[in-house]
Amino acid sequence: EAGVAQSPRYKIIEKRQSVAFWCNPISGHATLYWYQQILGQGPKLLIQFQNNGVVDDSQLPKDRFSAERLKGVDSTLKIQPAKLEDSAVYLCASSLDRTVHRELFFGEGSRLTVL
Amino acid sequence: KNQVEQSPQSLIILEGKNCTLQCNYTVSPFSNLRWYKQDTGRGPVSLTIMTFSENTKSNGRYTATLDADTKQSSLHITASQLSDSASYICVVRPGRSGTYKYIFGTGTRLKVLA
Repeated sequence: EAGVAQSPRYKIIEKRQSVAFWCNPISGHATLYWYQQILGQGPKLLIQFQNNGVVDDSQLPKDRFSAERLKGVDSTLKIQPAKLEDSAVYLCASSLDRTVHRELFFGEGSRLTVL
Repeated sequence: KNQVEQSPQSLIILEGKNCTLQCNYTVSPFSNLRWYKQDTGRGPVSLTIMTFSENTKSNGRYTATLDADTKQSSLHITASQLSDSASYICVVRPGRSGTYKYIFGTGTRLKVLA
């Protein structure tokens, strides 16, 4: 079974530029999460989708971050314009649904460096 | 406030030795607790998941314990190997209806030396 796919793995941009990350969850997984992981810290939830609807985006900096999950499968996370403090690993995760004991599967992450 | 705290922050041990990582949480009500292993530059991979009714769960050389009364969990690694060098993250899922967030600890960075 294929895992959660993310791209690009690495991205270096200058501040005020824009960047987009793509995630393809495990086939059939209805729930998709985007997390931001700053070096030395645990992942922080940015946004959670259930199918193509947003469940929680309370910690998403909406002035610069946006995310969508068209057709309830792939998802894209965009940052525009980027700031130095956005340097982090952006992890995508998926689960079959929101049932509390469901396994959560992570992708390899997209490492962003903002210069 | 729901929090998950892990200790130690980092740990260095020699190959073949055992070690124990700690996780204390204040999440209530509680649904389940998970331990993840995150290799450098990779995404977290699940090691164990325990509900409030489970005390112990093993996955090979990894054994997790849970004391729901004291809100403590530990991850014991037996006969460590170089490949165990990674960050270990404790994650708690609240049990409150309608709450779907996972509460992540900051992790323990383990280094196993030859």
